Amino acid sequence: DTGVSQDPRHKITKRGQNVTFRCDPISEHNRLYWYRQTLGQGPEFLTYFQNEAQLEKSRLLSDRFSAERPKGSFSTLEIQRTEQGDSAMYLCASSFIREETQYFGPGTRLLVL
Amino acid sequence: GNSVTQMEGPVTLSEEAFLTINCTYTATGYPSLFWYVQYPGEGLQLLLKATKADDKGSNKGFEATYRKETTSFHLEKGSVQVSDSAVYFCALSANTGGFKTIFGAGTRLFVKA
Repeated sequence: DTGVSQDPRHKITKRGQNVTFRCDPISEHNRLYWYRQTLGQGPEFLTYFQNEAQLEKSRLLSDRFSAERPKGSFSTLEIQRTEQGDSAMYLCASSFIREETQYFGPGTRLLVL
Repeated sequence: GNSVTQMEGPVTLSEEAFLTINCTYTATGYPSLFWYVQYPGEGLQLLLKATKADDKGSNKGFEATYRKETTSFHLEKGSVQVSDSAVYFCALSANTGGFKTIFGAGTRLFVKA
């Protein structure tokens, strides 16, 4: 297994457009996490899935954000009507259920113009 | 709520110097503690971890001891190399819903030859 992968690695969009990011976790990992990292800051938790169920969402995740993990494997994070404040690195991580160590993907860097 | 505070950077050292990056935390219960490293252009990598008080995590010459009495997890290395230049994140994870990870703001390390 090659680890957690994310696609695309970079995305430039105009304000108001919708964007979708994909994360492929390490196979057999039950849990999948999304984080957002802005410049000069540490990652902040957005949401996590256990298999296909979304179990927690941060207050950071506004109504414009939606995440899915339809078959308990890959996940998508969609941002509707993007704003300049959405510009950040979006990180995905995965783990086994009872394992506190998370394995991170390379991230998707979003720039909203 | 849970939080992590780490020393501000950047930290600039000469090769073979001793490194300390301070990290303190606030948490309910008994969190696991981590140091992650982010090299330029790459994703987060787990550097080391400790899961209970007085545990010492170590990897690649780096080490950190889980000090419950001082709520600290300082990162140390006896002799840094140019290749250690990166951003270091202290983090904690507690089983208060999915082991979501709380990160510090990161400390950038520059090592000069």
